[in-house]
Amino acid sequence: AQSVSQHNHHVILSEAASLELGCNYSYGGTVNLFWYVQYPGQHLQLLLKYFSGDPLVKGIKGFEAEFIKSKFSFNLRKPSVQWSDTAEYFCALGPLVFGKGTRLSVIA
Amino acid sequence: DAGVIQSPRHEVTEMGQEVTLRCKPISGHDYLFWYRQTMMRGLELLIYFNNNVPIDDSGMPEDRFSAKMPNASFSTLKIQPSEPRDSAVYFCASRGTGVQETQYFGPGTRLLVL
Repeated sequence: AQSVSQHNHHVILSEAASLELGCNYSYGGTVNLFWYVQYPGQHLQLLLKYFSGDPLVKGIKGFEAEFIKSKFSFNLRKPSVQWSDTAEYFCALGPLVFGKGTRLSVIA
Repeated sequence: DAGVIQSPRHEVTEMGQEVTLRCKPISGHDYLFWYRQTMMRGLELLIYFNNNVPIDDSGMPEDRFSAKMPNASFSTLKIQPSEPRDSAVYFCASRGTGVQETQYFGPGTRLLVL
């Protein structure tokens, strides 16, 4: 069965700190991986997606993610977070399976 | 394009009442998805349609839940009778053909069953 695990439930960072959110998936076939962001009170928006090719994917707002097949991972990174990055982040395997989300709080 | 449209945005009802949530996908999109988001369970897929046909409804929690897509521009999710544990945010999303297409989410309907 397909599954996605996001091990960090809540991450608190100071502004300008670096961010890495973990995402591990379980699936034996070809994977399509996504990261979405949900700002407070809003709907999910796509940050980035991976289908094939370069395993380092760049998305909007300075986010990037690296697909590591041997580790079944697709971690999200940002070198320097801002207060406006406070949101919930979801990793997804295709359109059908989502992780439970990681809440990011950025403090001044 | 106005994006995915959902109505109502907020719904408060009493246990036992029928609730109908509505979704208008982006024009030209042939996939439509219904999700439920709760604090405890996160974001769960309930059902999805392709070309108005339900493809997978294994996520629908109980027979109290039903979904229809009578045409390419409209879908409903109905709960009858509603229960307090159905309280959640319900999202609709649509996507075009092709696995590399981006999925667009609606603003959600926040349902509270008292």
